[in-house]
Order: sequence, then C-alpha cells, then structure tokens
Amino acid sequence: GQQVMQIPQYQHVQEGEDFTTYCNSSTTLSNIQWYKQRPGGHPVFLIQLVKSGEVKKQKRLTFQFGEAKKNSSLHITATQTTDVGTYFCAGPYGGATNKLIFGTGTLLAVQP
Amino acid sequence: KAGVTQTPRYLIKTRGQQVTLSCSPISGHRSVSWYQQTPGQGLQFLFEYFSETQRNKGNFPGRFSGRQFSNSRSEMNVSTLELGDSALYLCASSSGSWEVRQETQYFGPGTRLLVL
Repeated sequence: GQQVMQIPQYQHVQEGEDFTTYCNSSTTLSNIQWYKQRPGGHPVFLIQLVKSGEVKKQKRLTFQFGEAKKNSSLHITATQTTDVGTYFCAGPYGGATNKLIFGTGTLLAVQP
Repeated sequence: KAGVTQTPRYLIKTRGQQVTLSCSPISGHRSVSWYQQTPGQGLQFLFEYFSETQRNKGNFPGRFSGRQFSNSRSEMNVSTLELGDSALYLCASSSGSWEVRQETQYFGPGTRLLVL
C-alpha cells in the first residue's frame, strides 16, 4: 500500500544549527503538506506544495517538493528552541483530498 | 473564528466498554476527518464525513464508526474497546468544497483515550 517515510526519526541540534527532514512517498502525490506538532499538542498546518519542483519559504523554513512529486524536504536555518516538535509531511491517499497519509515524523530537539 | 473543539479531552475506559467522542468543526466547515495517533503506528486516517455522509474511510475495523450531524458536528464511536485503542484521537475540519482540490485541514486538540 501507499507509504510515506521520513528521515531522520529524531534529530538533536544545538540552537543556531540548521536542520533538514526528508519525506519520501511510495507513490506520486498531487500535493504535499507539512505539519508541526509540539510536545503534548496537535498537528498545526505549516504549508502546502502543489507544483513539481516547487520551493516555498516561511522565514527560516524552506520547503521543497521534488520534481517527481514523490519526495519533499523541510529545512530550518538557524534553529531556535521554539522549533522543537515533530514535523510531519502528509499527502492525499489515493488522490482523495481529505484522506491524508502522514509520514512517520521527525522529532526535533533543540538544545539552548 | 473559534478553532476546532473536541470533547472530552481525556477519557479512561476499560476493555469491552464503548466510547463516543465529539468534534465541533470551525464555523462554516463542512468536512470533518478523524485520525488516530499512537506512538507505534503514528497518525492514521479513520474516516471523513461531509454533509452527513461518510466520504472517505481508512483501514480500521467496524468497531470504529462515526456520524455527522446537520450542523457539521461529528461524533466517532468505538465499541468493544481493546487495550490497543489507547491513543490520541484527533479530528480535523476543512471547508470540504469540491472546487478546492487542495484543502487545508485544521486539527483540534484531540481526545486522549486510555483503555485499561
């Protein structure tokens, strides 16, 4: 069945260092979404990418959608303690708009 | 606008019991999706309701069911609870418009269910 994997599972960085998480789908996705979940919280929507090769930036966060629309990445420049949390990618399952298949997530720990 | 609300926030049940969880979507949103989150399986899609009809379904047993009311509020029910049903149950709302192919989903705070 359709699977979405993320690496790494866990990353521990010093504040100020950069961080990247990678997302790989077994099938082509019509779009990819990224969510952040703080410890004890719920997923919060960050961004959606639709076009092949698309790159979007939100302040220190850079999101990229692969040319084949099967992979994506999230890069954080100069991490801060407020970046702590688990980052999930998600894509529509079988093309159904609101049926999301979530990646396995990357837990980011930032040491001050 | 008020966000997605879920009740109750915490629940403790015993095996064999049943449970009903409630979700009120953002005002104007007509689609409600339910997800189960566990440390082992991650975030898994349960089902989606739109205009009181189940529009999408995940791969969960029939013990998991749901419904949606005319005001878009949704409930999910789990019957004959098992230990493995312990999880954070999240609902997410979106406008559900067929004209919008890429929807943003807004998650509620979740209901944390513990089955003993």
